[in-house]
Amino acid sequence: AQTVTQSQPEMSVQEAETVTLSCTYDTSESNYYLFWYKQPPSRQMILVIRQEAYKQQNATENRFSVNFQKAAKSFSLKISDSQLGDTAMYFCAFRGQGAQKLVFGQGTRLTINP
Amino acid sequence: GAVVSQHPSWVICKSGTSVKIECRSLDFQATTMFWYRQFPKQSLMLMATSNEGSKATYEQGVEKDKFLINHASLTLSTLTVTSAHPEDSSFYICSAPPRLAGGDYEQYFGPGTRLTVT
Repeated sequence: AQTVTQSQPEMSVQEAETVTLSCTYDTSESNYYLFWYKQPPSRQMILVIRQEAYKQQNATENRFSVNFQKAAKSFSLKISDSQLGDTAMYFCAFRGQGAQKLVFGQGTRLTINP
Repeated sequence: GAVVSQHPSWVICKSGTSVKIECRSLDFQATTMFWYRQFPKQSLMLMATSNEGSKATYEQGVEKDKFLINHASLTLSTLTVTSAHPEDSSFYICSAPPRLAGGDYEQYFGPGTRLTVT
Protein backbone atom coordinates (compact mmCIF):
# COMPACT_ATOMS: atom_id res chain seq x y z
CA ALA A 1 0.00 0.00 0.00
CA GLN A 2 1.12 3.49 -0.71
CA THR A 3 2.14 5.71 2.17
CA VAL A 4 2.81 9.42 2.38
CA THR A 5 4.99 10.93 5.09
CA GLN A 6 5.27 14.54 6.13
CA SER A 7 7.97 14.77 8.76
CA GLN A 8 7.41 18.39 9.78
CA PRO A 9 4.34 18.70 12.03
CA GLU A 10 4.74 22.47 12.35
CA MET A 11 6.71 25.25 10.69
CA SER A 12 6.81 28.96 11.23
CA VAL A 13 8.44 31.67 9.12
CA GLN A 14 8.33 35.44 8.75
CA GLU A 15 6.27 37.08 6.07
CA ALA A 16 8.10 37.38 2.73
CA GLU A 17 10.46 34.54 3.55
CA THR A 18 10.70 31.33 1.56
CA VAL A 19 9.65 28.06 3.16
CA THR A 20 9.92 24.47 2.02
CA LEU A 21 7.61 21.70 3.19
CA SER A 22 8.81 18.13 2.89
CA CYS A 23 6.96 15.07 1.69
CA THR A 24 8.11 11.55 0.95
CA TYR A 25 6.05 8.67 -0.33
CA ASP A 26 6.33 5.00 -0.99
CA THR A 27 4.96 3.24 -4.05
CA SER A 28 5.86 0.54 -6.52
CA GLU A 29 3.94 2.19 -9.35
CA SER A 30 5.75 3.86 -12.22
CA ASN A 31 3.17 6.55 -12.90
CA TYR A 32 1.09 8.37 -10.36
CA TYR A 33 0.01 11.84 -9.33
CA LEU A 34 1.15 13.94 -6.41
CA PHE A 35 -0.67 16.87 -4.88
CA TRP A 36 -0.29 19.55 -2.28
CA TYR A 37 -3.49 20.71 -0.63
CA LYS A 38 -3.94 23.69 1.64
CA GLN A 39 -6.49 23.66 4.44
CA PRO A 40 -6.93 27.15 5.94
CA PRO A 41 -8.85 27.76 9.18
CA SER A 42 -12.10 27.56 7.20
CA ARG A 43 -11.15 23.87 6.68
CA GLN A 44 -11.97 24.00 2.97
CA MET A 45 -9.45 21.86 1.09
CA ILE A 46 -7.77 23.84 -1.67
CA LEU A 47 -5.54 22.35 -4.34
CA VAL A 48 -2.23 24.20 -4.41
CA ILE A 49 -0.27 22.29 -7.02
CA ARG A 50 -0.08 18.90 -8.66
CA GLN A 51 2.55 16.84 -10.46
CA GLU A 52 2.36 13.81 -12.70
CA ALA A 53 5.22 11.42 -12.09
CA TYR A 54 5.95 11.01 -15.81
CA LYS A 55 6.57 14.72 -16.21
CA GLN A 56 10.17 15.54 -15.38
CA GLN A 57 9.62 19.26 -15.17
CA ASN A 58 8.71 20.49 -11.72
CA ALA A 59 5.28 22.05 -11.48
CA THR A 60 4.97 25.76 -10.68
CA GLU A 61 1.94 27.86 -9.76
CA ASN A 62 2.86 31.48 -9.11
CA ARG A 63 4.65 31.56 -5.72
CA PHE A 64 4.33 27.81 -5.28
CA SER A 65 6.70 25.29 -6.80
CA VAL A 66 7.66 21.71 -6.18
CA ASN A 67 10.90 19.80 -6.15
CA PHE A 68 9.96 16.38 -7.44
CA GLN A 69 12.66 13.75 -7.03
CA LYS A 70 11.19 10.53 -8.41
CA ALA A 71 14.09 8.26 -7.57
CA ALA A 72 14.15 9.51 -4.01
CA LYS A 73 10.32 9.49 -3.83
CA SER A 74 10.38 13.03 -2.56
CA PHE A 75 7.91 15.81 -3.35
CA SER A 76 8.62 19.04 -1.49
CA LEU A 77 6.65 22.27 -1.76
CA LYS A 78 8.39 25.64 -1.85
CA ILE A 79 6.46 28.77 -1.05
CA SER A 80 8.24 31.95 -2.09
CA ASP A 81 7.52 35.42 -0.74
CA SER A 82 5.25 33.92 1.89
CA GLN A 83 2.12 35.84 2.82
CA LEU A 84 -0.06 35.90 5.92
CA GLY A 85 -2.79 34.17 3.92
CA ASP A 86 -0.52 31.18 3.43
CA THR A 87 -1.05 30.25 7.08
CA ALA A 88 -2.78 26.86 6.94
CA MET A 89 -2.39 23.12 7.21
CA TYR A 90 -0.69 21.69 4.16
CA PHE A 91 -1.26 18.11 3.09
CA CYS A 92 0.75 16.12 0.61
CA ALA A 93 -1.29 13.50 -1.25
CA PHE A 94 -0.69 10.61 -3.63
CA ARG A 95 -2.97 9.04 -6.21
CA GLY A 96 -2.07 5.99 -8.26
CA GLN A 97 -2.48 5.90 -12.02
CA GLY A 98 -5.61 3.78 -12.08
CA ALA A 99 -6.96 4.85 -8.72
CA GLN A 100 -9.32 7.56 -7.62
CA LYS A 101 -8.51 7.49 -3.92
CA LEU A 102 -6.10 9.98 -2.47
CA VAL A 103 -3.61 8.95 0.19
CA PHE A 104 -2.79 11.84 2.48
CA GLY A 105 0.22 12.62 4.60
CA GLN A 106 -0.08 13.68 8.22
CA GLY A 107 0.01 17.37 7.39
CA THR A 108 2.26 20.31 8.23
CA ARG A 109 0.88 23.28 10.11
CA LEU A 110 2.45 26.39 8.57
CA THR A 111 2.30 29.74 10.29
CA ILE A 112 3.38 32.94 8.56
CA ASN A 113 4.26 35.61 11.09
CA PRO A 114 3.97 39.34 10.36
CA GLY B 1 -13.29 24.98 -10.64
CA ALA B 2 -16.16 22.64 -9.97
CA VAL B 3 -18.16 22.98 -6.78
CA VAL B 4 -19.09 20.42 -4.17
CA SER B 5 -21.49 21.39 -1.41
CA GLN B 6 -22.26 19.79 1.92
CA HIS B 7 -25.29 20.19 4.11
CA PRO B 8 -25.47 20.93 6.93
CA SER B 9 -22.25 22.76 7.66
CA TRP B 10 -22.67 22.17 11.39
CA VAL B 11 -25.02 19.85 13.23
CA ILE B 12 -25.51 19.10 16.89
CA CYS B 13 -27.39 15.96 17.83
CA LYS B 14 -28.12 14.00 20.96
CA SER B 15 -26.47 10.72 21.73
CA GLY B 16 -28.43 7.82 20.29
CA THR B 17 -30.00 9.73 17.42
CA SER B 18 -29.12 9.55 13.73
CA VAL B 19 -27.92 12.38 11.56
CA LYS B 20 -27.69 12.64 7.78
CA ILE B 21 -25.04 14.62 5.90
CA GLU B 22 -25.49 15.43 2.23
CA CYS B 23 -22.77 15.86 -0.38
CA ARG B 24 -23.72 17.34 -3.75
CA SER B 25 -21.72 18.01 -6.89
CA LEU B 26 -23.28 21.22 -8.16
CA ASP B 27 -21.97 21.54 -11.70
CA PHE B 28 -20.66 18.13 -12.64
CA GLN B 29 -21.64 14.49 -12.36
CA ALA B 30 -19.84 12.16 -10.02
CA THR B 31 -20.22 8.40 -10.12
CA THR B 32 -17.85 8.19 -7.18
CA MET B 33 -17.64 10.27 -4.04
CA PHE B 34 -15.38 9.86 -1.04
CA TRP B 35 -16.16 10.41 2.61
CA TYR B 36 -13.43 11.45 5.03
CA ARG B 37 -13.29 12.02 8.72
CA GLN B 38 -10.92 14.55 10.25
CA PHE B 39 -10.16 14.99 13.93
CA PRO B 40 -8.68 18.28 15.14
CA LYS B 41 -5.11 18.87 13.98
CA GLN B 42 -5.05 15.55 12.19
CA SER B 43 -5.11 14.44 8.59
CA LEU B 44 -8.07 13.28 6.57
CA MET B 45 -8.97 9.65 7.11
CA LEU B 46 -10.85 7.98 4.27
CA MET B 47 -13.94 6.26 5.59
CA ALA B 48 -15.62 4.96 2.47
CA THR B 49 -16.06 5.25 -1.26
CA SER B 50 -19.59 5.99 -2.40
CA ASN B 51 -20.56 4.48 -5.74
CA GLU B 52 -23.62 5.57 -7.71
CA GLY B 53 -25.91 2.62 -8.27
CA SER B 54 -24.01 0.19 -6.10
CA LYS B 55 -22.92 -0.41 -2.53
CA ALA B 56 -20.34 1.72 -0.88
CA THR B 57 -16.86 0.40 -0.24
CA TYR B 58 -15.73 0.88 3.35
CA GLU B 59 -12.18 1.19 4.60
CA GLN B 60 -10.92 -1.28 7.12
CA GLY B 61 -12.13 -0.55 10.61
CA VAL B 62 -15.11 1.56 9.56
CA GLU B 63 -18.44 0.20 10.77
CA LYS B 64 -20.76 -0.24 7.81
CA ASP B 65 -23.88 -0.39 9.94
CA LYS B 66 -23.00 2.77 11.77
CA PHE B 67 -22.00 4.92 8.82
CA LEU B 68 -24.62 4.34 6.13
CA ILE B 69 -23.79 5.67 2.71
CA ASN B 70 -26.24 6.09 -0.14
CA HIS B 71 -25.29 7.42 -3.57
CA ALA B 72 -28.76 8.28 -4.80
CA SER B 73 -27.87 10.02 -8.03
CA LEU B 74 -24.94 11.26 -10.08
CA THR B 75 -24.87 14.44 -8.00
CA LEU B 76 -25.80 13.33 -4.49
CA SER B 77 -24.28 11.10 -1.83
CA THR B 78 -25.43 10.93 1.77
CA LEU B 79 -23.70 9.77 4.93
CA THR B 80 -25.93 8.80 7.83
CA VAL B 81 -24.37 8.41 11.23
CA THR B 82 -26.67 6.04 13.10
CA SER B 83 -27.01 5.88 16.87
CA ALA B 84 -24.47 8.64 17.22
CA HIS B 85 -22.20 8.78 20.24
CA PRO B 86 -19.93 11.57 21.48
CA GLU B 87 -16.91 9.81 19.99
CA ASP B 88 -18.49 10.26 16.55
CA SER B 89 -18.07 14.00 16.95
CA SER B 90 -15.73 15.03 14.17
CA PHE B 91 -15.40 16.95 10.92
CA TYR B 92 -16.71 15.04 7.91
CA ILE B 93 -15.56 15.95 4.42
CA CYS B 94 -16.67 14.61 1.07
CA SER B 95 -14.88 14.82 -2.25
CA ALA B 96 -15.60 13.84 -5.82
CA PRO B 97 -13.66 13.37 -9.03
CA PRO B 98 -15.52 14.38 -12.20
CA ARG B 99 -17.36 11.54 -13.94
CA LEU B 100 -15.36 9.79 -16.63
CA ALA B 101 -12.29 11.70 -15.56
CA GLY B 102 -9.09 10.71 -17.28
CA GLY B 103 -5.76 10.22 -15.62
CA ASP B 104 -4.90 13.77 -14.75
CA TYR B 105 -7.81 15.41 -12.97
CA GLU B 106 -8.54 17.38 -9.87
CA GLN B 107 -10.67 16.00 -7.10
CA TYR B 108 -13.10 18.51 -5.65
CA PHE B 109 -13.77 18.80 -1.94
CA GLY B 110 -16.84 19.88 -0.06
CA PRO B 111 -16.54 22.49 2.70
CA GLY B 112 -17.06 19.87 5.41
CA THR B 113 -19.65 19.22 8.10
CA ARG B 114 -18.93 19.59 11.79
CA LEU B 115 -20.81 17.01 13.83
CA THR B 116 -21.16 17.44 17.56
CA VAL B 117 -22.85 14.68 19.54
CA THR B 118 -23.94 15.64 23.03
